[in-house]
Amino acid sequence: DAKTTQPPSMDCAEGRAANLPCNHSTISGNEYVYWYRQIHSQGPQYIIHGLKNNETNEMASLIITEDRKSSTLILPHATLRDTAVYYCIVRVYNNDMRFGAGTRLTVKP
Amino acid sequence: IAGITQAPTSQILAAGRRMTLRCTQDMRHNAMYWYRQDLGLGLRLIHYSNTAGTTGKGEVPDGYSVSRANTDDFPLTLASAVPSQTSVYFCASSLGGRYNEQFFGPGTRLTVL
Repeated sequence: DAKTTQPPSMDCAEGRAANLPCNHSTISGNEYVYWYRQIHSQGPQYIIHGLKNNETNEMASLIITEDRKSSTLILPHATLRDTAVYYCIVRVYNNDMRFGAGTRLTVKP
Repeated sequence: IAGITQAPTSQILAAGRRMTLRCTQDMRHNAMYWYRQDLGLGLRLIHYSNTAGTTGKGEVPDGYSVSRANTDDFPLTLASAVPSQTSVYFCASSLGGRYNEQFFGPGTRLTVL
């Protein structure tokens, strides 16, 4: 199973871009990178996923390095409501999704 | 009903008692999942079901059982609760397949004394 490494915490100023890194050096060729977030005690919320190309949706952008060993989630204009724990997950065989400890992002006014 | 609902919202349970956590989804998703989340930790998969009539074990299945009699419902049962099962339990569903995103319910906070 591919393992991910994320910093335990990060701060970001409101209105600025938040860049959350993730290392997944053992990722295999057919594994996708997923990002979820969990706001306070709510259920996790899907953000975005990708295989090898950069992806963008209404919430965020996902930049995956060419060797696929790391990725960055970008929230272009962070708001206070983006304060949450962000999980980077590499999808393993047969639907298992392993959540690590994630990165606690605090957006400050 | 819209999305995924879980019941109860919270429960305090005496050790040794039997408890079933309910999960219902109305999105006609094939796959459903149960996770537990302990304080300060990420989610861990307990059991999953790829489609009605089938179930599988996740990372931490011991002490839990599930059933999937139909597409919409995926109950999680603790046959004889122990204090180490004190946790927040999240149910999730997805269209199915390896790469589909999962949608999570609001969670059930369970305390076993």
